[in-house]
Amino acid sequence: AQKITQTQPGMFVQEKEAVTLDCTYDTSDPSYGLFWYKQPSSGEMIFLIYQGSYDQQNATEGRYSLNFQKARKSANLVISASQLGDSAMYFCAMRDGNQFYFGTGTSLTVIP
Amino acid sequence: DAMVIQNPRYQVTQFGKPVTLSCSQTLNHNVMYWYQQKSSQAPKLLFHYYDKDFNNEADTPDNFQSRRPNTSFCFLDIRSPGLGDAAMYLCATSTRTGPRDEQYFGPGTRLTVT
Repeated sequence: AQKITQTQPGMFVQEKEAVTLDCTYDTSDPSYGLFWYKQPSSGEMIFLIYQGSYDQQNATEGRYSLNFQKARKSANLVISASQLGDSAMYFCAMRDGNQFYFGTGTSLTVIP
Repeated sequence: DAMVIQNPRYQVTQFGKPVTLSCSQTLNHNVMYWYQQKSSQAPKLLFHYYDKDFNNEADTPDNFQSRRPNTSFCFLDIRSPGLGDAAMYLCATSTRTGPRDEQYFGPGTRLTVT
Protein backbone atom coordinates (compact mmCIF):
# COMPACT_ATOMS: atom_id res chain seq x y z
CA ALA A 1 0.00 0.00 0.00
CA GLN A 2 1.13 3.51 -0.75
CA LYS A 3 2.44 5.33 2.28
CA ILE A 4 2.26 8.76 0.66
CA THR A 5 -0.26 9.70 -2.02
CA GLN A 6 -0.12 12.80 -4.14
CA THR A 7 -3.08 12.78 -6.50
CA GLN A 8 -2.16 15.84 -8.58
CA PRO A 9 0.49 15.01 -11.20
CA GLY A 10 0.43 18.59 -12.46
CA MET A 11 -0.92 21.91 -11.26
CA PHE A 12 -1.05 25.40 -12.73
CA VAL A 13 -1.37 28.64 -10.79
CA GLN A 14 -1.42 32.27 -11.76
CA GLU A 15 1.43 34.35 -10.44
CA LYS A 16 0.60 35.98 -7.07
CA GLU A 17 -2.25 33.55 -6.43
CA ALA A 18 -2.27 30.85 -3.74
CA VAL A 19 -2.15 27.14 -4.55
CA THR A 20 -2.73 23.99 -2.53
CA LEU A 21 -0.86 20.78 -3.23
CA ASP A 22 -2.50 17.68 -1.81
CA CYS A 23 -0.87 14.92 0.20
CA THR A 24 -2.38 12.03 2.12
CA TYR A 25 -0.45 9.49 4.12
CA ASP A 26 -0.87 6.13 5.72
CA THR A 27 0.75 5.00 8.93
CA SER A 28 -0.20 3.22 12.14
CA ASP A 29 2.74 4.70 14.04
CA PRO A 30 1.59 7.49 16.39
CA SER A 31 4.93 9.27 16.03
CA TYR A 32 5.82 10.42 12.54
CA GLY A 33 7.02 13.44 10.66
CA LEU A 34 5.74 14.96 7.46
CA PHE A 35 7.92 16.95 5.08
CA TRP A 36 7.58 18.86 1.86
CA TYR A 37 10.45 19.21 -0.58
CA LYS A 38 10.82 21.28 -3.72
CA GLN A 39 12.82 19.93 -6.63
CA PRO A 40 13.61 22.42 -9.41
CA SER A 41 14.76 21.23 -12.81
CA SER A 42 18.36 21.34 -11.56
CA GLY A 43 17.57 18.26 -9.46
CA GLU A 44 18.38 19.32 -5.92
CA MET A 45 15.78 18.50 -3.27
CA ILE A 46 15.12 21.57 -1.17
CA PHE A 47 13.46 21.18 2.23
CA LEU A 48 10.46 23.49 2.63
CA ILE A 49 8.47 22.65 5.74
CA TYR A 50 7.98 20.07 8.47
CA GLN A 51 4.97 18.94 10.51
CA GLY A 52 5.24 16.56 13.46
CA SER A 53 2.43 14.19 14.30
CA TYR A 54 2.14 15.65 17.79
CA ASP A 55 2.29 19.27 16.70
CA GLN A 56 -0.89 21.10 17.70
CA GLN A 57 -0.53 23.91 15.22
CA ASN A 58 -0.10 23.90 11.47
CA ALA A 59 3.47 24.57 10.41
CA THR A 60 4.33 27.76 8.56
CA GLU A 61 7.55 28.87 6.87
CA GLY A 62 7.30 32.18 5.07
CA ARG A 63 4.98 31.71 2.08
CA TYR A 64 4.60 28.00 2.83
CA SER A 65 2.06 26.60 5.23
CA LEU A 66 0.93 23.09 5.91
CA ASN A 67 -2.74 22.28 6.32
CA PHE A 68 -2.45 19.32 8.67
CA GLN A 69 -5.63 17.30 9.22
CA LYS A 70 -4.58 14.38 11.35
CA ALA A 71 -7.91 12.56 11.43
CA ARG A 72 -8.03 12.63 7.64
CA LYS A 73 -4.31 11.82 7.38
CA SER A 74 -3.70 14.71 5.07
CA ALA A 75 -0.87 17.24 4.98
CA ASN A 76 -1.53 19.67 2.17
CA LEU A 77 1.02 22.32 1.25
CA VAL A 78 -0.27 25.83 0.68
CA ILE A 79 1.93 28.27 -1.24
CA SER A 80 0.73 31.84 -0.98
CA ALA A 81 1.53 34.62 -3.44
CA SER A 82 3.04 32.28 -6.04
CA GLN A 83 6.18 33.39 -7.83
CA LEU A 84 7.62 32.26 -11.15
CA GLY A 85 10.49 30.65 -9.23
CA ASP A 86 8.03 28.35 -7.52
CA SER A 87 7.68 26.32 -10.72
CA ALA A 88 9.13 22.92 -9.78
CA MET A 89 8.27 19.41 -8.64
CA TYR A 90 6.98 19.18 -5.09
CA PHE A 91 7.31 16.02 -3.05
CA CYS A 92 5.49 15.14 0.13
CA ALA A 93 7.40 12.77 2.39
CA MET A 94 6.92 11.00 5.69
CA ARG A 95 9.36 9.65 8.22
CA ASP A 96 7.87 6.63 9.93
CA GLY A 97 10.27 4.80 12.20
CA ASN A 98 13.52 4.31 10.29
CA GLN A 99 11.94 4.75 6.90
CA PHE A 100 11.51 7.84 4.78
CA TYR A 101 8.73 7.62 2.17
CA PHE A 102 8.19 9.93 -0.77
CA GLY A 103 5.07 10.56 -2.79
CA THR A 104 5.13 10.60 -6.57
CA GLY A 105 5.24 14.37 -6.69
CA THR A 106 3.25 17.24 -8.15
CA SER A 107 4.62 19.38 -10.95
CA LEU A 108 3.69 23.01 -10.31
CA THR A 109 3.78 25.59 -13.08
CA VAL A 110 3.35 29.25 -12.23
CA ILE A 111 1.88 31.26 -15.10
CA PRO A 112 2.87 34.92 -15.50
CA ASP B 1 28.35 26.77 4.72
CA ALA B 2 27.65 23.26 5.92
CA MET B 3 26.42 21.19 3.06
CA VAL B 4 26.13 17.94 1.16
CA ILE B 5 28.36 17.74 -1.91
CA GLN B 6 28.09 15.31 -4.78
CA ASN B 7 30.69 14.76 -7.45
CA PRO B 8 30.50 14.72 -10.31
CA ARG B 9 27.23 16.46 -11.14
CA TYR B 10 27.07 14.64 -14.46
CA GLN B 11 28.59 11.25 -15.18
CA VAL B 12 28.63 9.32 -18.41
CA THR B 13 29.64 5.68 -18.37
CA GLN B 14 29.53 2.80 -20.78
CA PHE B 15 27.30 -0.20 -20.50
CA GLY B 16 28.98 -2.64 -18.10
CA LYS B 17 31.80 -0.30 -17.08
CA PRO B 18 32.01 0.17 -13.29
CA VAL B 19 31.32 3.65 -12.02
CA THR B 20 31.61 5.31 -8.61
CA LEU B 21 29.62 8.29 -7.43
CA SER B 22 30.77 10.23 -4.41
CA CYS B 23 29.08 12.17 -1.66
CA SER B 24 30.61 14.20 1.12
CA GLN B 25 29.08 16.20 3.93
CA THR B 26 30.27 18.90 6.27
CA LEU B 27 27.24 18.56 8.54
CA ASN B 28 28.76 15.79 10.68
CA HIS B 29 25.51 13.84 10.38
CA ASN B 30 25.30 10.24 11.52
CA VAL B 31 23.13 9.00 8.69
CA MET B 32 23.83 9.03 4.96
CA TYR B 33 21.43 7.86 2.28
CA TRP B 34 21.59 7.03 -1.40
CA TYR B 35 18.51 7.42 -3.58
CA GLN B 36 17.90 6.64 -7.22
CA GLN B 37 15.45 8.90 -9.00
CA LYS B 38 14.27 8.22 -12.53
CA SER B 39 12.55 10.79 -14.65
CA SER B 40 9.20 11.96 -13.29
CA GLN B 41 9.35 9.50 -10.40
CA ALA B 42 9.82 9.75 -6.65
CA PRO B 43 13.27 9.10 -5.22
CA LYS B 44 13.80 5.44 -4.40
CA LEU B 45 15.95 4.60 -1.39
CA LEU B 46 18.79 2.22 -2.24
CA PHE B 47 20.52 2.01 1.15
CA HIS B 48 21.64 4.04 4.10
CA TYR B 49 24.37 4.09 6.72
CA TYR B 50 23.72 4.85 10.35
CA ASP B 51 27.28 5.61 11.37
CA LYS B 52 29.06 2.47 10.13
CA ASP B 53 25.98 0.27 10.12
CA PHE B 54 24.92 -0.48 6.56
CA ASN B 55 21.22 -0.92 5.78
CA ASN B 56 20.31 -2.27 2.37
CA GLU B 57 16.78 -1.98 0.98
CA ALA B 58 15.36 -5.40 0.11
CA ASP B 59 14.83 -4.58 -3.54
CA THR B 60 18.16 -2.88 -4.19
CA PRO B 61 19.95 -4.83 -6.93
CA ASP B 62 23.25 -6.52 -6.05
CA ASN B 63 24.79 -4.41 -8.80
CA PHE B 64 24.72 -1.49 -6.38
CA GLN B 65 27.20 -1.33 -3.53
CA SER B 66 28.17 1.37 -1.08
CA ARG B 67 31.12 2.32 1.07
CA ARG B 68 31.42 4.76 3.93
CA PRO B 69 35.08 5.04 4.90
CA ASN B 70 34.45 7.81 7.43
CA THR B 71 31.69 10.11 8.70
CA SER B 72 32.14 12.61 5.91
CA PHE B 73 32.24 10.45 2.80
CA CYS B 74 29.97 7.89 1.22
CA PHE B 75 30.34 6.23 -2.17
CA LEU B 76 27.93 4.50 -4.49
CA ASP B 77 29.50 1.84 -6.69
CA ILE B 78 27.63 0.46 -9.67
CA ARG B 79 29.53 -2.63 -10.69
CA SER B 80 28.08 -3.23 -14.14
CA PRO B 81 25.78 -0.39 -15.18
CA GLY B 82 22.89 -1.24 -17.45
CA LEU B 83 20.82 1.14 -19.54
CA GLY B 84 18.13 0.94 -16.86
CA ASP B 85 20.50 2.42 -14.29
CA ALA B 86 20.51 5.79 -16.00
CA ALA B 87 18.99 8.11 -13.43
CA MET B 88 19.63 10.92 -10.99
CA TYR B 89 21.40 9.68 -7.87
CA LEU B 90 20.75 11.70 -4.75
CA CYS B 91 22.76 11.60 -1.57
CA ALA B 92 21.17 12.80 1.65
CA THR B 93 22.13 13.06 5.30
CA SER B 94 20.33 13.37 8.61
CA THR B 95 21.34 13.58 12.23
CA ARG B 96 19.34 10.54 13.31
CA THR B 97 16.30 8.66 12.17
CA GLY B 98 13.66 10.15 14.45
CA PRO B 99 10.40 11.64 13.18
CA ARG B 100 11.76 15.19 13.30
CA ASP B 101 14.98 14.43 11.48
CA GLU B 102 14.76 15.92 8.04
CA GLN B 103 17.05 14.84 5.27
CA TYR B 104 19.48 17.27 3.70
CA PHE B 105 20.07 16.52 0.04
CA GLY B 106 23.00 17.08 -2.21
CA PRO B 107 22.57 18.43 -5.75
CA GLY B 108 22.57 14.95 -7.25
CA THR B 109 24.62 13.19 -9.91
CA ARG B 110 22.91 12.57 -13.21
CA LEU B 111 24.18 9.28 -14.62
CA THR B 112 24.00 8.49 -18.32
CA VAL B 113 24.77 4.98 -19.56
CA THR B 114 25.75 4.64 -23.21
